[in-house]
Amino acid sequence: KAGVTQTPRYLIKTRGQQVTLSCSPISGHRSVSWYQQTPGQGLQFLFEYFSETQRNKGNFPGRFSGRQFSNSRSEMNVSTLELGDSALYLCASSLVVAGEQFFGPGTRLTVL
Amino acid sequence: AQSVTQLGSHVSVSEGALVLLRCNYSSSVPPYLFWYVQYPNQGLQLLLKYTTGATLVKGINGFEAEFKKSETSFHLTKPSAHMSDAAEYFCAVSDRYSSASKIIFGSGTRLSIRP
Repeated sequence: KAGVTQTPRYLIKTRGQQVTLSCSPISGHRSVSWYQQTPGQGLQFLFEYFSETQRNKGNFPGRFSGRQFSNSRSEMNVSTLELGDSALYLCASSLVVAGEQFFGPGTRLTVL
Repeated sequence: AQSVTQLGSHVSVSEGALVLLRCNYSSSVPPYLFWYVQYPNQGLQLLLKYTTGATLVKGINGFEAEFKKSETSFHLTKPSAHMSDAAEYFCAVSDRYSSASKIIFGSGTRLSIRP
């Protein structure tokens, strides 16, 4: 089975722009979670989707949003980018909500 | 609500020495517990997991962990460290019995191996 894929792998944006990241889960997995990882804050949970519904949400501002499509693929969007949004964004899929997470390689976002 | 505490943000051991990474959790229901490893510029990879049954769990790369309910711990060990074990390790707890289930990750422990 193919693993979790994330596109793009690297991204450079400037402050004020918006960005959309994409995640394709493992075939058959209906849950997709997103995490932000930075040296200072560690691994922080953004949100989890299951069958196109947001099931859980972390403590992030409304600039961070996501969605899941009927084929379980997911996108996350960050609007009005700030320097502090520079991070590795990880996507993980699982069979069930809060189940064993299978992680993708991440998207490295740099905001200038 | 669940929580996870990893004691020690950085652990350094000599090659061939015992590796011990500590994880304590809190959960109001029987938890599922996980250890993940992250190599530089990569995603997280599952090392091992505890769901039910045997409390001593063996994982990949010679790692194992023991679920101790009385101590609310799930420490990760490896008898003999290799240079290739240098990475960041994350402990996680999941409450799969709640309608609002979520998986919580610890803050991570960076493992360094001295030659």
